[in-house]
Amino acid sequence: GPKVLQIPSHQIIDMGQMVTLNCDPVSNHLYFYWYKQILGQQMEFLVNFYNGKVMEKSKLFKDQFSVERPDGSYFTLKIQPTALEDSAVYFCASSFPGDSDYTFGSGTRLLVI
Amino acid sequence: SQWGEENLQALSIQEGEDVTMNCSYKTYTTVVQWYRQKSGKGPALIILIRSNEREKRSGRLRATLDTSSQSSSLSITGTLATDTAVYFCATDAGNTRKLIFGLGTTLQVQP
Repeated sequence: GPKVLQIPSHQIIDMGQMVTLNCDPVSNHLYFYWYKQILGQQMEFLVNFYNGKVMEKSKLFKDQFSVERPDGSYFTLKIQPTALEDSAVYFCASSFPGDSDYTFGSGTRLLVI
Repeated sequence: SQWGEENLQALSIQEGEDVTMNCSYKTYTTVVQWYRQKSGKGPALIILIRSNEREKRSGRLRATLDTSSQSSSLSITGTLATDTAVYFCATDAGNTRKLIFGLGTTLQVQP
């Protein structure tokens, strides 16, 4: 079936540095999402995005986080500056208007040291 | 929290057995989705049941939904070792374009 691709699959970064996580959503999907999962725990909603704008963000979506999708390219999550507690797996998802089901990528494993 | 305490479980069974997982939720939803997450992968939708349905089947999977008690179950018949995964239920908090995931049930199927 159609896939969401996430690049990179793993990233190790020094605390305080900037990181950009990239997501290539399913081609005809228009809604995009980021979720955060700490090892072995539940998936936590960060933000959703539609028509070039953030629709809703959770309390976990700190001021250091930003998302964008410039001109139909990658949907990105940028963290600047990173903190130790940002270490987690970040999942991107996309969905089609009118559909309830989401397609998730395989995640980017971020380790902040 | 959106979720009841019983959603977090770890189950270990033998291949061929049947298993049922439960989740309860606290706020209104138009749909309950069940996702399977295998180690090192993202969650994948396996079955979806809408608020006007009481039961849904797909192959070896059966989902039920009781909106009065705000609970859902997922049953797998004739489990296989490849069913080993974490299973999450997710609700949409009233169709807000924001899936909210439960704590998950870790299922280990021994061959």
